[in-house]
Amino acid sequence: DAGVIQSPRHEVTEMGQEVTLRCKPISGHDYLFWYRQTMMRGLELLIYFNNNVPIDDSGMPEDRFSAKMPNASFSTLKIQPSEPRDSAVYFCASRPGPVGYNEQFFGPGTRLTVL
Amino acid sequence: SQQGEEDPQALSIQEGENATMNCSYKTSINNLQWYRQNSGRGLVHLILIRSNEREKHSGRLRVTLDTSKKSSSLLITASRAADTASYFCATDAGNSGNTPLVFGKGTRLSVIA
Repeated sequence: DAGVIQSPRHEVTEMGQEVTLRCKPISGHDYLFWYRQTMMRGLELLIYFNNNVPIDDSGMPEDRFSAKMPNASFSTLKIQPSEPRDSAVYFCASRPGPVGYNEQFFGPGTRLTVL
Repeated sequence: SQQGEEDPQALSIQEGENATMNCSYKTSINNLQWYRQNSGRGLVHLILIRSNEREKHSGRLRVTLDTSKKSSSLLITASRAADTASYFCATDAGNSGNTPLVFGKGTRLSVIA
């Protein structure tokens, strides 16, 4: 298995532009998570899905952020419009089942820089 | 919100020494997990310890869990330069299997050759 795949690996954009981050989870995993990592705030959970359904989006910082999971093999995180404070590394992770017995598998991350 | 909190924030040791990192958390849990992150990479799972377990070993890793104190420790024995990384503890919310992991801010370990 190729693991969790994220694209792009690096994204540099200007303030006000739309940014779309993509994730392909491991096949057969029921859960998908989006995290954001910064030096100041550490690793923050933004949103997670179970069987393609969003379960908790309370970590999404504001309405500029949206996430979708149209099918079991693909998810997107969109920021529109982007701001410099959105600069961070965004990680997607997937998990095969309930948290009590399963680890989470992380993708390599997308490093976003908003100028 | 942060559930787990690692201590110390940074640790520097000589190769061959043991490294101990601690994690404290706030609410009841189903399990506690430790992850490693090399610079510029994603997190990699190291070990999972369930709430009814007190100690677990995996190679040079030893994890303990004290649910009465809401704390865990990760011991890396005979450290190597390749162990240089950030180490995170992660916990779930405890009441349901349908919860995400919440991570602490990590301990940055430097192993000097």
